[in-house]
Amino acid sequence: EAQVTQNPRYLITVTGKKLTVTCSQNMNHEYMSWYRQDPGLGLRQIYYSMNVEVTDKGDVPEGYKVSRKEKRNFPLILESPSPNQTSLYFCASSQGAGLTYEQYFGPGTRLTVT
Amino acid sequence: AQSVAQPEDQVNVAEGNPLTVKCTYSVSGNPYLFWYVQYPNRGLQFLLKYITGDNLVKGSYGFEAEFNKSQTSFHLKKPSALVSDSALYFCAVRDIKNNRLAFGKGNQVVVIP
Repeated sequence: EAQVTQNPRYLITVTGKKLTVTCSQNMNHEYMSWYRQDPGLGLRQIYYSMNVEVTDKGDVPEGYKVSRKEKRNFPLILESPSPNQTSLYFCASSQGAGLTYEQYFGPGTRLTVT
Repeated sequence: AQSVAQPEDQVNVAEGNPLTVKCTYSVSGNPYLFWYVQYPNRGLQFLLKYITGDNLVKGSYGFEAEFNKSQTSFHLKKPSALVSDSALYFCAVRDIKNNRLAFGKGNQVVVIP
């Protein structure tokens, strides 16, 4: 089954403790992206990747890191999480980096930072 | 930078009645427009998109959307709403100049039996 998977689905952590949220897709997609969803703000893009070893900042990159060493994986790293990063996170991928392609979303990771 | 406005936080509609979810956009070049739906505790699912061509676009689950360039709108419509259509709906626009996808805040649709 074609899908985007994220792990963990739920995570509660404390301020300053480094964490990684994994994202993997099995569709051989070139483009991958991370979003955070907050009430009243919709989805905001954190980082995106056009292809392996190519990443770029989205609208809200502060406090996050990403890497794209393999085509299928695009982990999101929070080096020192803070309470304002409490949010619902989605990974997404699309067939190409072009404008016309729709994105496929993972199930989401709900992160709480205390 | 591109932006999307979804003016209504929640749309209530009786089952069987027509459903409309409004979206207006702002981009510097030609718009590439998308609608996504999010069911509770799920990720977003693609519904339909406008790239070029006919202004009326048909998508999944009986939904369609009408592109209106002069009004910079891309309203989502369904002729007869189902209770199972109750979900959060997002409009998004992609800008040719930066390839970023900007989402609106989302509209909660509640279909009343």
